[in-house]
Amino acid sequence: DQQVKQNSPSLSVQEGRISILNCDYTNSMFDYFLWYKKYPAEGPTFLISISSIKDKNEDGRFTVFLNKSAKHLSLHIVPSQPGDSAVYFCAARTTYNFNKFYFGSGTKLNVKP
Amino acid sequence: SAVISQKPSRDICQRGTSLTIQCQVDSQVTMMFWYRQQPGQSLTLIATANQGSEATYESGFVIDKFPISRPNLTFSTLTVSNMSPEDSSIYLCSARTRDNEQYFGPGTRLTVT
Repeated sequence: DQQVKQNSPSLSVQEGRISILNCDYTNSMFDYFLWYKKYPAEGPTFLISISSIKDKNEDGRFTVFLNKSAKHLSLHIVPSQPGDSAVYFCAARTTYNFNKFYFGSGTKLNVKP
Repeated sequence: SAVISQKPSRDICQRGTSLTIQCQVDSQVTMMFWYRQQPGQSLTLIATANQGSEATYESGFVIDKFPISRPNLTFSTLTVSNMSPEDSSIYLCSARTRDNEQYFGPGTRLTVT
């Protein structure tokens, strides 16, 4: 049973426009959420995170929104750049198992020049 | 930060054999982990590699199939034993630093024929 889901396997966006990547989860005990970016032949790299006590966290062009009632989070990239083309994973964890991250299956973002 | 390297980067192995994957971190880390990403699926935690003691395995993973060693703070190995085609996956090493950032290695792509 996958507790973190990314229902869009791919997304294509024009350079300069907004990219919105979505993630849904089922476990109400999740209290910390992260986004990772992965280029081919490299490991996932940390991008941005959000605690369940917040509903928004911003870092430069990247903003993560958390809607706890809907068990939904999203990553906004504005403006999108060709170098943002990668696979994006959302992940979540609980306080009672700090070591275990639950990952979505990833969304492949293609930013067209 | 932490830079994680893995060896080998990829391998093709025959059914019934075993493969040991090495993970080296360039700095001391508090925790090390092993993940698996099966084709088209999300990253799944196999186990937490504990220094000087037995690894802590997640549900569905056992020591006989995935023996893990962590002889010091910067090095760990994962062995995939008695392989079958279902073990074909990307295996990723991960480490957490003292400031609680989690990093991933580039992965080892294993194909079992």
